[in-house]
Amino acid sequence: DGGITQSPKYLFRKEGQNVTLSCEQNLNHDAMYWYRQDPGQGLRLIYYSQIVNDFQKGDIAEGYSVSREKKESFPLTVTSAQKNPTAFYLCASSSRTPYNEQFFGPGTRLTVL
Amino acid sequence: GIQVEQSPPDLILQEGANSTLRCNFSDSVNNLQWFHQNPWGQLINLFYIPSGTKQNGRLSATTVATERYSLLYISSSQTTDSGVYFCAVVRAGGTSYGKLTFGQGTILTVHP
Repeated sequence: DGGITQSPKYLFRKEGQNVTLSCEQNLNHDAMYWYRQDPGQGLRLIYYSQIVNDFQKGDIAEGYSVSREKKESFPLTVTSAQKNPTAFYLCASSSRTPYNEQFFGPGTRLTVL
Repeated sequence: GIQVEQSPPDLILQEGANSTLRCNFSDSVNNLQWFHQNPWGQLINLFYIPSGTKQNGRLSATTVATERYSLLYISSSQTTDSGVYFCAVVRAGGTSYGKLTFGQGTILTVHP
């Protein structure tokens, strides 16, 4: 089945630790995105990548890092510099044309203890 | 940046009722999507509709791009329709490549 997978589903982190969230897609999409959702809010863009080995900051990139070494994978690292990392993180992908429909994975809920 | 406003913020219905959700946006767009977020957080694509009208079963959507709004119609609502409905847009031109800007959502509750 084609789709987007994210792991883990739930993640608990101690303050001061870096954690990496996985996002994999088998839709043959060129573009991938990371969004953050806080309770009662819409989603905000963290980073996006249009093509392998290239990525750009979104609106709230501070305290996060990404890599895009493979077309299928776009992992997100939440660093200790992120002041308020507890949130729901969603990954999305689309074909490269900038205005094409985006599809989302099931999300990862990160809680900082 | 572009502003996206959804109304109403909350909507409570009895099963079988019809409803209309509205999305206003402040600038020209090249992408407009409607999503349903289920209780587990999954965003389900309802419509990709930068302009025109589409229908899918009990749901339909209309976007009037020149007047900068979109409407989502739900007919004969069911309890499984409950959840949060989001409108999201990509602003035309500029450096908005692929960036979806989301509204705050409409929380729909359908009672049996």
